[in-house]
Amino acid sequence: QVQLVESGGGVVQPGMSLRLSCAASGFTFSYYAMHWVRQAPGKGLEYVAVITSDETGSYYAESVKGRFTISRDNSKNTLYLQINNLRVEDTAVYYCGRLGGSYWGAFDFWGQGTLVTVSS
Amino acid sequence: DFQMTQSPSSLSASVGDSVTITCRASQDIRHYVAWYQQAAGKVPKLLIYEASTLQLGVPSRFRGSGSGTNFSLTISRLQPEDLATYYCQKYDTDPWTFGPGTKVDMK
Repeated sequence: QVQLVESGGGVVQPGMSLRLSCAASGFTFSYYAMHWVRQAPGKGLEYVAVITSDETGSYYAESVKGRFTISRDNSKNTLYLQINNLRVEDTAVYYCGRLGGSYWGAFDFWGQGTLVTVSS
Repeated sequence: DFQMTQSPSSLSASVGDSVTITCRASQDIRHYVAWYQQAAGKVPKLLIYEASTLQLGVPSRFRGSGSGTNFSLTISRLQPEDLATYYCQKYDTDPWTFGPGTKVDMK
């Protein structure tokens, strides 16, 4: 069965950097586009980034462009999110997930999420 | 700036009721809408994609409809386990914008 396990969250100070990882199993990782979505405490879902199966395309929400970088290692079945210059408003649960296709689609499987808390 | 709006923002209903949530896109997105269910403290779950196609394993009491800019999710014969927040999302192109959510609770 499809499994997605995020790691790398924690408490960090404003201005610091963090790299989140998402280990995938139970499907052919290299066939699917992948995403990151975040959810601030008590708030709704916010699209963060998507990367295509072959890394030819990466897309970002306007709110994170220039600070966040999505990447993947298909040989390791792992998705990453590099977050630089963290802000208090980046505090959220970060979910990784799979899209239904190689280049786009609905978000058909989700990980359990990892909490990032930005606080001084 | 692309917008997805949902109404109502919350609703209360009884077990066995039928409820409908609407979602409006600020531009034509054809049928590229998905609906997600998120119970409190849980991971979001895909219910419907392409506006009306049920994801595998989702009960048939969930029904999606619409195209263009107007979409809806109807839950028939509401069950206690349907208590959750429901989000629509566009996925025709970047950005994969979510609606603000509709919270469904039990009377």
